[in-house]
Amino acid sequence: GNSVTQMEGPVTLSEEAFLTINCTYTATGYPSLFWYVQYPGEGLQLLLKATKADDKGSNKGFEATYRKETTSFHLEKGSVQVSDSAVYFCALSRDNNNDMRFGAGTRLTVKP
Amino acid sequence: DVKVTQSSRYLVKRTGEKVFLECVQDMDHENMFWYRQDPGLGLRLIYFSYDVKMKEKGDIPEGYSVSREKKERFSLILESASTNQTSMYLCASSLLTGANVLTFGAGSRLTVL
Repeated sequence: GNSVTQMEGPVTLSEEAFLTINCTYTATGYPSLFWYVQYPGEGLQLLLKATKADDKGSNKGFEATYRKETTSFHLEKGSVQVSDSAVYFCALSRDNNNDMRFGAGTRLTVKP
Repeated sequence: DVKVTQSSRYLVKRTGEKVFLECVQDMDHENMFWYRQDPGLGLRLIYFSYDVKMKEKGDIPEGYSVSREKKERFSLILESASTNQTSMYLCASSLLTGANVLTFGAGSRLTVL
């Protein structure tokens, strides 16, 4: 079945450090891929998405590239801030299917 | 902005009680979802609905039921709450077509004693 595997946390970084959170997927067909972020005390919100191979999603300095050959969608940011502290979820959604599959989430803490 | 509103942020119930979690969205989305969020397990789909009075089981429907009598409202029902249903419950909605971007509510944290 369709599934997403993302790196386990927690991840702790100093401000201005480089961030990578790995995400790989298993799916039939051509899924769309997403990163959602959950700030403390809030629901999830979409961070970025990519709908086809080689697409790059970007938002708020975060980027992820849809790599079909490695079935990956790793999240990166060049310089993290304290305000980026949150839980990050990788997710996929297949064509013609209305349910979303989420990874387990990776908690990021950025220290000043 | 699309808003998904969950009526209760925190609930404490006793084993065996019937529990209703309400969710309302204001953007005319066709799809609505209930997820359960547990540490280390991420989000797991309980039920989703793509139209009024329509529902589909997700990965973990046991012990839950849902109701969608109006397009904007999707209710999750625990007929007889148990301690293993203590969790964070997230409601979400999306358009029927497109890249299936979900809009989430803030969540309802349920504790069953």
